[in-house]
Amino acid sequence: ETGVTQTPRHLVMGMTNKKSLKCEQHLGHNAMYWYKQSAKKPLELMFVYSLEERVENNSVPSRFSPECPNSSHLFLHLHTLQPEDSALYLCASSQERVAGYTFGSGTRLTVV
Amino acid sequence: GEDVEQSLFLSVREGDSSVINCTYTDSSSTYLYWYKQEPGAGLQLLTYIFSNMDMKQDQRLTVLLNKKDKHLSLRIADTQTGDSAIYFCAENLIYNQGGKLIFGQGTELSVKP
Repeated sequence: ETGVTQTPRHLVMGMTNKKSLKCEQHLGHNAMYWYKQSAKKPLELMFVYSLEERVENNSVPSRFSPECPNSSHLFLHLHTLQPEDSALYLCASSQERVAGYTFGSGTRLTVV
Repeated sequence: GEDVEQSLFLSVREGDSSVINCTYTDSSSTYLYWYKQEPGAGLQLLTYIFSNMDMKQDQRLTVLLNKKDKHLSLRIADTQTGDSAIYFCAENLIYNQGGKLIFGQGTELSVKP
């Protein structure tokens, strides 16, 4: 275990479904992040939360909706996704936004 | 600009040394990082170097930093098949509201027996 736990590990969903990805960190970090990793593309930073406040949203479509109810938990709510949203979604946390990140194992999402 | 570049592939024989190279653009970065990603897994922090250092050694890993050329390298001595993975270089981009890590595209290391 890396200290950052993501569930589920795998998710298959239809384009009309609503689902949520969950991330939990037990490291006492105060910043959390969502990344998207697609095949043959660089890691894409989606959202940054610092002290439970969203501080960055990198032009992510509104069908992705993050939620950070407390400093240990981060969710990514998904609805009406497209097949091109199929990817590995990685959660990370850090103590301060300039420190190294600890990553979870990711959720492999397939949109059918 | 925000740009970290790496070559995409490297193939070595077991027992040889591997050298993975990276160039970055932000001269204000205080730390630079190397992450390893095995198939089906997240990114694991391997090592990092503070920007006022030229070299850091950690067992089989040696990190070299050339700040003038904004060039970072990771040398893996006595490479093993278990080292086969994707290696990501990252710099921390500092700005007024805080900072974020910028990752390279990753170098896929293939170790042949």
